Amino acid sequence: DAKTTQPNSMESNEEEPVHLPCNHSTISGTDYIHWYRQLPSQGPEYVIHGLTSNVNNRMASLAIAEDRKSSTLILHRATLRDAAVYYCIRYSGGYQKVTFGTGTKLQVIP
Amino acid sequence: NAGVMQNPRHLVRRRGQEARLRCSPMKGHSHVYWYRQLPEEGLKFMVYLQKENIIDESGMPKERFSAEFPKEGPSILRIQQVVRGDSAAYFCASSLDTGSHNEQFFGPGTRLTVL
Repeated sequence: DAKTTQPNSMESNEEEPVHLPCNHSTISGTDYIHWYRQLPSQGPEYVIHGLTSNVNNRMASLAIAEDRKSSTLILHRATLRDAAVYYCIRYSGGYQKVTFGTGTKLQVIP
Repeated sequence: NAGVMQNPRHLVRRRGQEARLRCSPMKGHSHVYWYRQLPEEGLKFMVYLQKENIIDESGMPKERFSAEFPKEGPSILRIQQVVRGDSAAYFCASSLDTGSHNEQFFGPGTRLTVL
């Protein structure tokens, strides 16, 4: 049970913004939202995480809905190197095993 | 600071042989996780270890699979008497601590092929 729902695939044109949605309607008040991405033939890499407020870092922005039932990972200008599978994960406090689900496969079109 | 290292990167075994996969976590990290990824699927959690202790092995098959993380040296995932269904990419990750703020750093994976 991945506890999050994402579209299987999305396409974006190069240098356009990309909005990757994630539904987590059963999220609890203390669960964080983490995003990872996996480039072809590589291990996953951390992208960003947040709790309630929108978050920005050098890789992306994370917009979290006011009711926290959904969030959106925003890549401001997609490049070919951003083509990857993006995973949205709920993360509770303390130790928990991480369930990745199948993620969203992002294709970037030159 | 070197990232998580895994070796070998590719491993070919015949049915019935043993496979040993190694993972060296990032310096200072004492939490190690192993995942398996079948083609076109997401990562499936297998086991979580701290130094010398298995904390959660709920994702690991009860037979033929074992994992360790000794006081000195890398973490080892061992698969005995491999079968074709064991062919997959095995990823190791490490973290500094557990909890909501602690990201996991992943290695490049070991791709196991069972002939």
